[in-house]
Amino acid sequence: GQNIDQPTEMTATEGAIVQINCTYQTSGFNGLFWYQQHAGEAPTFLSYNVLDGLEEKGRFSSFLSRSKGYSYLLLKELQMKDSASYLCAVRDLGGSYIPTFGRGTSLIVHP
Amino acid sequence: DVKVTQSSRYLVKRTGEKVFLECVQDMDHENMFWYRQDPGLGLRLIYFSYDVKMKEKGDIPEGYSVSREKKERFSLILESASTNQTSMYLCASSLEQGAESVQETQYFGPGTRLLVL
Repeated sequence: GQNIDQPTEMTATEGAIVQINCTYQTSGFNGLFWYQQHAGEAPTFLSYNVLDGLEEKGRFSSFLSRSKGYSYLLLKELQMKDSASYLCAVRDLGGSYIPTFGRGTSLIVHP
Repeated sequence: DVKVTQSSRYLVKRTGEKVFLECVQDMDHENMFWYRQDPGLGLRLIYFSYDVKMKEKGDIPEGYSVSREKKERFSLILESASTNQTSMYLCASSLEQGAESVQETQYFGPGTRLLVL
């Protein structure tokens, strides 16, 4: 199984940049997902990393270092609508291929 | 777009009642999942299914059962609801089983908030 750790809550200012970290321990890494979940809504897919490096997608980027068991989600030009929970999920080489979710980071963007 | 729907957004039941939560996906996905989400605990996997009539226990299957008679439908059953099953229940689906790629991305339904009194 995995041990996934991410901060419980973060706050940031509109227009700023915020980095949400996720560390994990796994017996055999096989991919990391980031999801966004607004209050009362379903999680929606943001990004997927399986190789080291940075994946950029508009205002959002996700970074992975497999050797360090570390990922971050970078949000640029923050908007009020970015206030949400951000879920890190890690898949390992176990038989089920199902990701295990971290507890999520609640991001509050204020004016 | 993938669409995952759940039968109810809000549900109130009494202790001991049998509860059925229904989930339907319209994209011919192989895999379907049931999670519960609780504050401070995140998403926890209850059961999953990778084919019709197939089911596998997740991390917290106790007190739950599932049924998958058709590919598009995955039901979660609480045989005798208890107050500690008050939670948000999320259904999800994904395309391929065992694919080592982004095709394993899960698509979630809107959730059912269950209150057991």
